[in-house]
Amino acid sequence: KAGVTQTPRYLIKTRGQQVTLSCSPISGHRSVSWYQQTPGQGLQFLFEYFSETQRNKGNFPGRFSGRQFSNSRSEMNVSTLELGDSALYLCASSAVGTGNTIYFGEGSWLTVV
Amino acid sequence: DQQVKQNSPSLSVQEGRISILNCDYTNSMFDYFLWYKKYPAEGPTFLISISSIKDKNEDGRFTVFLNKSAKHLSLHIVPSQPGDSAVYFCAASAPIQGAQKLVFGQGTRLTINP
Repeated sequence: KAGVTQTPRYLIKTRGQQVTLSCSPISGHRSVSWYQQTPGQGLQFLFEYFSETQRNKGNFPGRFSGRQFSNSRSEMNVSTLELGDSALYLCASSAVGTGNTIYFGEGSWLTVV
Repeated sequence: DQQVKQNSPSLSVQEGRISILNCDYTNSMFDYFLWYKKYPAEGPTFLISISSIKDKNEDGRFTVFLNKSAKHLSLHIVPSQPGDSAVYFCAASAPIQGAQKLVFGQGTRLTINP
């Protein structure tokens, strides 16, 4: 069974640009969530989607957005990139309901210059 | 407000001995706890979890203990192996309309010395 797949793995963007990251969850998993990891802030929850609906959102500005498609695949977008957005962005998926393990992808390394 | 805390940034243990990683939480609504292992530039790898209705869960060399009254959990690795060297994160979740949201600790870097 394939794990959580994220693309691209590495990318470099310029300040002010926007970026879109993609995530394919584990087959059968309908919940997809996104996390940001930085050295200073650790792993921070961005948002979670289920059945194409955002169910929960972390404390990030509106420049961070996401969506989920009918096949459970998800994308997140960051507009007007800032240097501080440089981070490892992690996608995770899980089966429906609490108490289910959340599995992570390898992450997308974003560097903003 | 750091709801999940790992107070030891690093831990060094001799190969073959027991590694004990600790985690404290403040939110009494948390009902599910997980431990992840992470290498640099990779996603966290799930190790073991425990529901709040239990106080212990074991999986091979890994055992997680939960003390709800103290809001404390720990991960025991026995025996420790060089491949266990990594950063370990504890995470907790609370039922919020069925949503899956993990709150992570800051991580503990475990080094296993031969």
